[in-house]
Amino acid sequence: GQNIDQPTEMTATEGAIVQINCTYQTSGFNGLFWYQQHAGEAPTFLSYNVLDGLEEKGRFSSFLSRSKGYSYLLLKELQMKDSASYLCAVRAVNTGFQKLVFGTGTRLLVSP
Amino acid sequence: EAQVTQNPRYLITVTGKKLTVTCSQNMNHEYMSWYRQDPGLGLRQIYYSMNVEVTDKGDVPEGYKVSRKEKRNFPLILESPSPNQTSLYFCASSLSRRTDTQYFGPGTRLTVL
Repeated sequence: GQNIDQPTEMTATEGAIVQINCTYQTSGFNGLFWYQQHAGEAPTFLSYNVLDGLEEKGRFSSFLSRSKGYSYLLLKELQMKDSASYLCAVRAVNTGFQKLVFGTGTRLLVSP
Repeated sequence: EAQVTQNPRYLITVTGKKLTVTCSQNMNHEYMSWYRQDPGLGLRQIYYSMNVEVTDKGDVPEGYKVSRKEKRNFPLILESPSPNQTSLYFCASSLSRRTDTQYFGPGTRLTVL
């Protein structure tokens, strides 16, 4: 089975940097995704890691360590619009098909 | 515009009354999936489909049915809805099973009384 852990809630200040951690236990690991979800809206894709290391995309970066079952999403120069839930999701290959398992999400509140 | 659409967006119904939530994508994606999202439980996969006529159970399939007769459509059927199926439902699609990105529909908020 799969188990994914993320903090439930985090707060940060506009302009700051915040790191959202995700730890996972899964068999057949095949990649880790981060999605952003504003309240009442659909999740939108942020980043994808399948090899160890850092992937950078503008203000957002994501890191993966497969040996530690650990990832983080780093948000720089925080803006008010970054207030949202951030979902960590792990892809596992079961019976040859894709399965995506989501964590419960981290709600980030950015204050002025 | 590339998108995943769901209908209806909001639905209030009563226990036992069969309903269908439609999902359609215009991106020629092979892979489609249904999730439900509940507070404290996150997104959980109900069913997924690798291609036309190929579907499989996700983590919480009980009480749901799906079909994939055409590539673009993947309806979710609740034959006899119960209150514990009150939830926010999302349909998603991706180009293939190994594609990085899943595109989500806008969601359907279902209440079963």
